[in-house]
Formats: sequence, C-alpha cells, structure tokens
Amino acid sequence: IVLTQSPGTLSLSPGERVTLSCRTSQSVRSTYLAWYQQKPGQAPRLLIYAASNRATGIPDRFSGSGSGTDFTLTISRLEPEDFAVYYCQQYGSSPLITFGQGTRLEIK
Amino acid sequence: QVQLVESGGGLVKSGGSLRLSCAASGFTFSDYYMTWIRQAPGKGLEWVSSISGTGRSMYYADSVRGRFTIARDNAKSSLFLLINNLRAEDTAVYYCARDYGDYPPDIFDIWGQGTMVTVSS
Repeated sequence: IVLTQSPGTLSLSPGERVTLSCRTSQSVRSTYLAWYQQKPGQAPRLLIYAASNRATGIPDRFSGSGSGTDFTLTISRLEPEDFAVYYCQQYGSSPLITFGQGTRLEIK
Repeated sequence: QVQLVESGGGLVKSGGSLRLSCAASGFTFSDYYMTWIRQAPGKGLEWVSSISGTGRSMYYADSVRGRFTIARDNAKSSLFLLINNLRAEDTAVYYCARDYGDYPPDIFDIWGQGTMVTVSS
C-alpha cells in the first residue's frame, strides 16, 4: 500500500483551521491508520490511531477521520507549537507498516 | 518515566557492520512488541523491523531483509538491530519505538531520540 499525503507544504497562520489529507493506494484494513507529528530534531509523536482515536495527552483540537482510502487529520485552531511535519501511517496490510511522505505545516 | 534510549550509531564504511542498541525503562519491556524505524536525512519515515515480546516473531521490510537482524534481551530490557553489509542508502537516524496497539506491529506510542548511522564509501 502506498500512502500519498497532500499538500506537501502548507503555509498558515496561528488560529486557522487546517485539514491534511492522506490517500492510500488500496483500502486500509479496518481503519488501521495513524497520524504522527514530528518537529525538527525530535522523534515523531503519535497523535491519532485507528483513524480517529486521539492518543494519550493529545489536545482535542486534533481530530482524525476517514475510511477506505481517504483519511484526514484536522487541527481546529492552529497553535504556534503545531507547526511541524505530519505523517500518516497504515498498519495491518502488506507491507506491514508504511508511512506517507509527510506534509510540512509552516507559519505564514 | 517511560523511556527509550538508542546507542551504537556512527560512521561506518560501505560493506561494514554495526549493532544498534535501545535501552528501555519505565515499563514491562517483555509485554511489548518493539520496532526499529529509520529516517534518511531530510526524508520521511521508513519502517525497518519489528519483534514480538517473546522474541520469537520477527518482521522485516523488504529493503533490509537478509542484511538486518532484530533481537531483544528481555532480562536487560534491551532491543538490538544488527546491520550487515551496510550501504549508502542505510544512512539514516534509527529510532526504536514501542508498539502500542492490539495487533502488532501497528502503532508506536513511545520513541527514542534516535541514533545516527552514516555509511561512507
């Protein structure tokens, strides 16, 4: 399964709402899709799993949705600390684990 | 607190070997699948390998199968990645991560800070 994230880069301002897209080349088994946030020089951080479940400690301004081949991550109101790279990841299909190429969210 | 600390990276010549380690603390190590994920400079994330809590089941990406070996020592709460026949394309930060989900390998809730492997020709 190939994961394609769009857009590659987004330039937005704090306070704005943003929706990131992740499309898969085949239907993802049982909404087995996760989202991660990575800031420069840091390891990725799990945000969302099973398409729509927030990981422990993740603010509720982050939400995930989708099924089949189309998934989205929405940040309802951007905070300064949200500017980072976001990756989607599928699990449970072949190959076992694949990541999207990432979407960079930058401050306008 | 829950923590993963990688070590063992460095500069290695093409064709060489390396052993990466990941020391876990703050949780019952043997209860969890563990995984290695790498990130080439300026690139995205690539899953490398996963191992079950007992160490009996191992999974590899096609790109590394036959050259990489994942292992663990539950008595020492340590995860390892043995890398043979290193290639330039193996240059990356290697992260160890704890598998969180119900059907591993699946999702990764705890990550180490990463260890850099650089392969020179």
